[in-house]
Amino acid sequence: DAKTTQPPSMDCAEGRAANLPCNHSTISGNEYVYWYRQIHSQGPQYIIHGLKNNETNEMASLIITEDRKSSTLILPHATLRDTAVYYCIVRVLRSGAGSYQLTFGKGTKLSVIP
Amino acid sequence: DTEVTQTPKHLVMGMTNKKSLKCEQHMGHRAMYWYKQKAKKPPELMFVYSYEKLSINESVPSRFSPECPNSSLLNLHLHALQPEDSALYLCASSPLFLRDRVPEKLFFGSGTQLSVL
Repeated sequence: DAKTTQPPSMDCAEGRAANLPCNHSTISGNEYVYWYRQIHSQGPQYIIHGLKNNETNEMASLIITEDRKSSTLILPHATLRDTAVYYCIVRVLRSGAGSYQLTFGKGTKLSVIP
Repeated sequence: DTEVTQTPKHLVMGMTNKKSLKCEQHMGHRAMYWYKQKAKKPPELMFVYSYEKLSINESVPSRFSPECPNSSLLNLHLHALQPEDSALYLCASSPLFLRDRVPEKLFFGSGTQLSVL
């Protein structure tokens, strides 16, 4: 799996958009970008994933650059409950039956400030 | 029901004790996972079960013994643990598909915080 690089920490004012960057310069054509987050004392929670097009769901938007070497997770209106560690993971799209072997990096600790 | 339930939430045990962690899901997922997370570190994969059979063991010491008695339950039996095994133990599940191009969406429980004295 391609290596990812994220800033160790970020702050965001409550109500503003939180933009979390991730570099994955060695990503290959069949690798997806996944984002998970982990709120303190809870298990990780899936947020969103994408291949090359921008994606949006009820939690966030994912913007992937045209060369796919980096991506940005956008929380449009951050709340205090969005304070968490955000993990960017790159994985090959598996073929056939099988389980998943997600490997978590160090992530970005996002602090939403009142 | 989209929950993965883990019990107990907290566990304190001595190095000579035997205890078990339990995990349950009713989403029909046929893959279940154990992760270990030390304080301020990312989760690390320990075991994976596919169709109730152990498919991945990430070189975990034998004092950790996983068991998958049926498709909804996953246990982690603990025996003769060391203080350095103190951590948050996370269970997760995911669907297994028999075709290509499946996104990797795991559902995690809230974990068991284990302290070994």
